[in-house]
Formats: sequence, C-alpha cells, structure tokens
Amino acid sequence: DAKTTQPNSMESNEEEPVHLPCNHSTISGTDYIHWYRQLPSQGPEYVIHGLTSNVNNRMASLAIAEDRKSSTLILHRATLRDAAVYYCIRPSGGYQKVTFGIGTKLQVIP
Amino acid sequence: NAGVTQTPKFQVLKTGQSMTLQCAQDMNHEYMSWYRQDPGMGLRLIHYSVGAGITDQGEVPNGYNVSRSTTEDFPLRLLSAAPSQTSVYFCASSYSGQGSAGANVLTFGAGSRLTVL
Repeated sequence: DAKTTQPNSMESNEEEPVHLPCNHSTISGTDYIHWYRQLPSQGPEYVIHGLTSNVNNRMASLAIAEDRKSSTLILHRATLRDAAVYYCIRPSGGYQKVTFGIGTKLQVIP
Repeated sequence: NAGVTQTPKFQVLKTGQSMTLQCAQDMNHEYMSWYRQDPGMGLRLIHYSVGAGITDQGEVPNGYNVSRSTTEDFPLRLLSAAPSQTSVYFCASSYSGQGSAGANVLTFGAGSRLTVL
C-alpha cells in the first residue's frame, strides 16, 4: 500500500466534534480511502470509505478534499466509547493485502 | 452470523515449540489475511489469500506458514516459535466486488495473543 500520513494522537472533549485528518498526496484516481478504528483490546472495525464525494453513515462522516490528496474523518459528537486508534488506509495494492500504519490515537476527555 | 472466529484467544509457548492459530469465517469471503500487531506499531501483514489454494506473502512472512484448503479456513502455523513472535495476531476477511456496499471491507477477528518464552 502507498503511504498515508496521520497525526500520532489527538484529544477531544466529550460531546464535541472531532476532525481526524489524513494525508494521501500520491493517491491515484481509482484508489478508495478507507477508515477503520480499533477499540482497546479489540480487532479493527470498519468505519467508512469513499472515493470522491463526501460520505456519511451512522458512525461518522468522511470529507474528501477536491484534489483527493487529503481526507478528514468527522465524528459529530465524540463519546467516551469513541476513544480508539483510527486508521486511514489506501488499498492501492489490492484489497486482499491491505496494510495499516500506526494510526491516530484519539483520547476523549470527559 | 459469527463473522471471523479466531482460536485460541491466548497462548503461551516455549521457544522452539510449534502451534497453529486458527481462523474461520462464515461469510463466504474469498480474501483472507493474517496480521500481527506489536506495541506502538500498526498492523503488519504476514500472509494473505485470494481464494482456496492460493496464498502469498505479506510484509513480515518469515517464521510463518499458511495454507487455504477451504474458503472458510485460513490457519497460521508457527513451526518453531521465537520470542520475536510474541504479538497479537489478527485474522481478517473480505470479498471483492465493484458497486456492492459491503465489498472490499475488512472484517477482523477478535485476535489471538501469543507469548513465546
């Protein structure tokens, strides 16, 4: 997989919105952007993915820059249960061999 | 629907022992993969499979063997365990398909924590 860049850690107050950034400056036109999160002591779980347009689901929103070189995962109201490591990935080598970076560790402050 | 099931959840081995981590999925996914996760590091791909009878190496394959005789099962074998293989192991599966809402989304198991003394 080609590289994505995320901050190592972020903090948010409970019930406030959280914007988690990801840079993927070498993205090609057909690469999707996927986000996963990993709660403590659990396996990663899918959050959202998109190609060009902004996407919404029950967990989060994904805002993709017009040039597609960056994206932002938006949690509209952070809860304590959202404290996790969030991974932004770009499966350019094929979905069967997805690789993950270190991700962003989100701390939610009560 | 069980999803991806990994066994055992915990295992302690002595250096040189062998063991198999089991992974089974009941979603008829063609893609399956094994990752390891070490403290402070992301997930690193060990081996993956695109279907029964087809496997390939990921980033860190040394010391591990895999086979895929059925769509459902993808065991990971450690032939001679080493302390460097102490880690948490995750199995994942997905299916391909353009335009399908769930396609290309990885489903992970709960993990197997392995300690090699």
